[in-house]
Amino acid sequence: GQNIDQPTEMTATEGAIVQINCTYQTSGFNGLFWYQQHAGEAPTFLSYNVLDGLEEKGRFSSFLSRSKGYSYLLLKELQMKDSASYLCAVADLTGGGNKLTFGTGTQLKVEL
Amino acid sequence: EAEVAQSPRYKITEKSQAVAFWCDPISGHATLYWYRQILGQGPELLVQFQDESVVDDSQLPKDRFSAERLKGVDSTLKIQPAELGDSAMYLCASSLGGRAFNEQFFGPGTRLTVL
Repeated sequence: GQNIDQPTEMTATEGAIVQINCTYQTSGFNGLFWYQQHAGEAPTFLSYNVLDGLEEKGRFSSFLSRSKGYSYLLLKELQMKDSASYLCAVADLTGGGNKLTFGTGTQLKVEL
Repeated sequence: EAEVAQSPRYKITEKSQAVAFWCDPISGHATLYWYRQILGQGPELLVQFQDESVVDDSQLPKDRFSAERLKGVDSTLKIQPAELGDSAMYLCASSLGGRAFNEQFFGPGTRLTVL
């Protein structure tokens, strides 16, 4: 089975930097995804890490350490529109399919 | 830009009734997923198709839920009979398929309310 843990809620100030952590336990690891989900909408893809290290994409960066079962999503220059739920998801190859298991999500609130 | 289509967007039903949701994946995407997302939680995989075949339905409550993708394109998820605890967002996603990295693209979802 899989176990994914991320904080339930975080609050940050517009213009600041916030780091959302995710820890996981899995077998058949095939990558870690971060998705953004605004209230009432579908998740949208943010990043994918399969090797250790940092992946940077504009204001968003994602880091992975496979040996520690740890990832984080870094959001810079926060904007009000970044207020959303951020979902950590682990891809697992066991069972023949490329299955994604999601964490419960971190609700980020950006304040003035 | 190609998108995953789902209908209806909203569905209100009474318990013990039957409901059905439809999903049309992005053209050319071999893999189709149905997820259920309860408010405040992450999506939970119900069933995964590779073309017309079920790859994983281990979390699908088979006594009341069924899913099909007869021609390997669009798919239907059915609940019969619906229960109060089935109230949730039902998300469909698709990807190119295969074992390597393939981003899953999500549809807008169907929000089900069971009264």
